[in-house]
Amino acid sequence: IAGITQAPTSQILAAGRRMTLRCTQDMRHNAMYWYRQDLGLGLRLIHYSNTAGTTGKGEVPDGYSVSRANTDDFPLTLASAVPSQTSVYFCASSSDSAGRNEQFFGPGTRLTVL
Amino acid sequence: AQSVAQPEDQVNVAEGNPLTVKCTYSVSGNPYLFWYVQYPNRGLQFLLKYITGDNLVKGSYGFEAEFNKSQTSFHLKKPSALVSDSALYFCAVRVDTGGFKTIFGAGTRLFVKA
Repeated sequence: IAGITQAPTSQILAAGRRMTLRCTQDMRHNAMYWYRQDLGLGLRLIHYSNTAGTTGKGEVPDGYSVSRANTDDFPLTLASAVPSQTSVYFCASSSDSAGRNEQFFGPGTRLTVL
Repeated sequence: AQSVAQPEDQVNVAEGNPLTVKCTYSVSGNPYLFWYVQYPNRGLQFLLKYITGDNLVKGSYGFEAEFNKSQTSFHLKKPSALVSDSALYFCAVRVDTGGFKTIFGAGTRLFVKA
């Protein structure tokens, strides 16, 4: 593993189903983030974690939950998917939770909720 | 309100010509500013950042950015554009909302024509 990996690459999901997007980093970064990217809106922060064991809400957290049981993994769960959650999801990490350093991004998960 | 803006949805430039992608920001305190690039079906990649010091920041792939405090701008520049520079570019700024977060502009699509 080099950098950040995300799984799955893409997924089509029926509305109402539960889905977990996986994210793993091997850089031992403290901070991790989940964003969604929608056309014309740029990236919007869903949830973040400044260190293992802590999480926080971003700009658009409703309908999503996260956990940070260890440094490397930061899964994002949609408890009951809705069509408005159709988007491309990016996981990112950074060595600095205070935002002074750059973020490293995974390749993304393209999610379609029907 | 703290924010970042990219006033152009799209920039078109001929190969070999200089390019500029604009970014303006509004933050409290000293700004931490970033530029990222996104190629199709990929995650964002870090290009450069400004924290303090010289107003002209040099980054990856021949890109540079000029920090202008009085105009609250951080425009991305390159002296001679390549067709391979065609991509989506994001400006980002660290904001303090009771905790530090990074917010991203909506993105500017750069087209470089041969």
